[in-house]
Amino acid sequence: GQNIDQPTEMTATEGAIVQINCTYQTSGFNGLFWYQQHAGEAPTFLSYNVLDGLEEKGRFSSFLSRSKGYSYLLLKELQMKDSASYLCAVSDSNYQLIWGAGTKLIIKP
Amino acid sequence: DAMVIQNPRYQVTQFGKPVTLSCSQTLNHNVMYWYQQKSSQAPKLLFHYYDKDFNNEADTPDNFQSRRPNTSFCFLDIRSPGLGDAAMYLCATSKSRDGSYEQYFGPGTRLTVT
Repeated sequence: GQNIDQPTEMTATEGAIVQINCTYQTSGFNGLFWYQQHAGEAPTFLSYNVLDGLEEKGRFSSFLSRSKGYSYLLLKELQMKDSASYLCAVSDSNYQLIWGAGTKLIIKP
Repeated sequence: DAMVIQNPRYQVTQFGKPVTLSCSQTLNHNVMYWYQQKSSQAPKLLFHYYDKDFNNEADTPDNFQSRRPNTSFCFLDIRSPGLGDAAMYLCATSKSRDGSYEQYFGPGTRLTVT
């Protein structure tokens, strides 16, 4: 079967750095997405990785290792508004998105 | 601004009473998706359209139907809602079915079944 694993919840301090991990087992791979979802709202796109390595976009970076079936989202200089769920999703061989359940990130002052 | 709009934002219906949720987009995207998301769970794909080509997920209950009368609009019909259908329903669009394109989500419709 196809599976995406992420930690259920993480806590971090305002101004700090946090890394959210995602491991996946899918039938084929056509890229990995990270989305941010605030409570009661729709997901919004953060990043897309299809090649190995690190993609940096402001305070957010995303890393991919296809051989390990592993990605992480790195958030720097955490702000209170970063409190949200972060969803990892993989595009499989049929270009269907397989979604993780999300990691709820709690930021404390 | 180009966007994905869902109406209503909140919908309350009675057990067994049909309900229709709507989605419109100004992005002119070919692909439209309907997802069901329950609290702290991953979004679950119900259907998607590539233009007028309809794709039903294998485990989507027959109780759920969809229509796409034109590029801009898509509807989700729940013929006989049960208590288990209470959820957030998300509409999303994408430029292509090619998995490299991000999906743009509407704000969602939160469905309550009483």
